[in-house]
Amino acid sequence: KAGVTQTPRYLIKTRGQQVTLSCSPISGHRSVSWYQQTPGQGLQFLFEYFSETQRNKGNFPGRFSGRQFSNSRSEMNVSTLELGDSALYLCASSSFGTTLNIQYFGAGTRLSVL
Amino acid sequence: QQQVKQSPQSLIVQKGGISIINCAYENTAFDYFPWYQQFPGKGPALLIAIRPDVSEKKEGRFTISFNKSAKQFSLHIMDSQPGDSATYFCAGTNAGKSTFGDGTTLTVKP
Repeated sequence: KAGVTQTPRYLIKTRGQQVTLSCSPISGHRSVSWYQQTPGQGLQFLFEYFSETQRNKGNFPGRFSGRQFSNSRSEMNVSTLELGDSALYLCASSSFGTTLNIQYFGAGTRLSVL
Repeated sequence: QQQVKQSPQSLIVQKGGISIINCAYENTAFDYFPWYQQFPGKGPALLIAIRPDVSEKKEGRFTISFNKSAKQFSLHIMDSQPGDSATYFCAGTNAGKSTFGDGTTLTVKP
């Protein structure tokens, strides 16, 4: 079974631009969550989607948004990029709805904002 | 109430020794407590996980001990190897959201 796939692996953007990151979950997983990882703040929850609906949202500004498609693939968008948005963005999928609620992570997208 | 506190921040162990990492949580709504291992440049990889109705789970050299009344759990790595050198994160998970500890950088010296 293929794991969680995130594209692209690396991105370099400048302040003020916007960016879209993509995540393909493990086959059969309907829950997709996004996290931001930085050395200073650690792993922080952005939001979670299940069956195309956002179920949970972390404490991030509205510049961070996401969506999920009918095939469970998800995208995350960050608008008006700031230097502080430089981070590793991680996507995780889980087969929520069964007893197994464990999240499996992708390799992440490394975003650098210049 | 969403915090997960992890200690120590860093740990140095000799090859063959036991590595112990501790976590404490506040949110009693967590329904799963996973441990993740992360190498530089990689995403976190699930190592082992436990449900709150189980006091201990062992998989190979890795054991989770869980104390529900104290709201604490720990990871024990037996016979630690240099290849175990990585950052370890504990987490509490509920409804598609994981709250992570700050991580422990483990160095296993040959």
